[in-house]
Amino acid sequence: QVQLVQSGGEVKKPGASVKVSCKASGYTFTSYGIGWVRQAPGQGPEWMGWISAYNGNTNIAQNLQDRVTMTADTSTDIAYMELRHLRSDDTAMYYCARFVPLEWLFDYWGQGTLVTVSS
Amino acid sequence: QSALTQPASVSGSPGQSITISCTGSSSDVATYNLVSWYQQHPGKAPKLIISEISKRPSGVSNRFSGSKSGDTASLTISGLQPEDEADYYCCSYVDSTSFEVFGGGTKLTVL
Repeated sequence: QVQLVQSGGEVKKPGASVKVSCKASGYTFTSYGIGWVRQAPGQGPEWMGWISAYNGNTNIAQNLQDRVTMTADTSTDIAYMELRHLRSDDTAMYYCARFVPLEWLFDYWGQGTLVTVSS
Repeated sequence: QSALTQPASVSGSPGQSITISCTGSSSDVATYNLVSWYQQHPGKAPKLIISEISKRPSGVSNRFSGSKSGDTASLTISGLQPEDEADYYCCSYVDSTSFEVFGGGTKLTVL
């Protein structure tokens, strides 16, 4: 069965960076993308972007393009999302999800990783 | 600010039907059939319940259905059950610059 398992919660200071991992299993990793969605406390989801596990191409939301890097390691079937120059409003639950490019949707989700930014 | 507008809340009694709207614009919902719907229970990850306007993934109850008219997509839940109480989000492809956006979400209360 398709599973996405994310790394554990993180507490970071403003200005630091965080790297969240997402281990995929139960399907052919390179046949899909991995997308990232974040959700601030009490708010709706925010679409962050996705990476093709096939060729590494990315589409990243404009407001995050200068701070976010998405990578995918096909030798381990692990995707990563790094967010730099953290601010307090980056505090959120970060989800990875399997992304279906032709349909622009997320069909399987990870359990989420809580990133807290606090001085 | 979300480019997709949803009602903040809807409610219904068990057995009834409700519809949640998702209004976009002529450049997103009206142009593309790339609208999906997600259900999210408190403390849980979102779950895909409708893809491409009206397709139901395997394992999703046929009580969930989707449609579109012009710039508005809709999710209908028939035969409401207590476990349907959750937040519902639409999501649509926008363009090659903004890519994709979620709606603001609708809280469904089953009375």
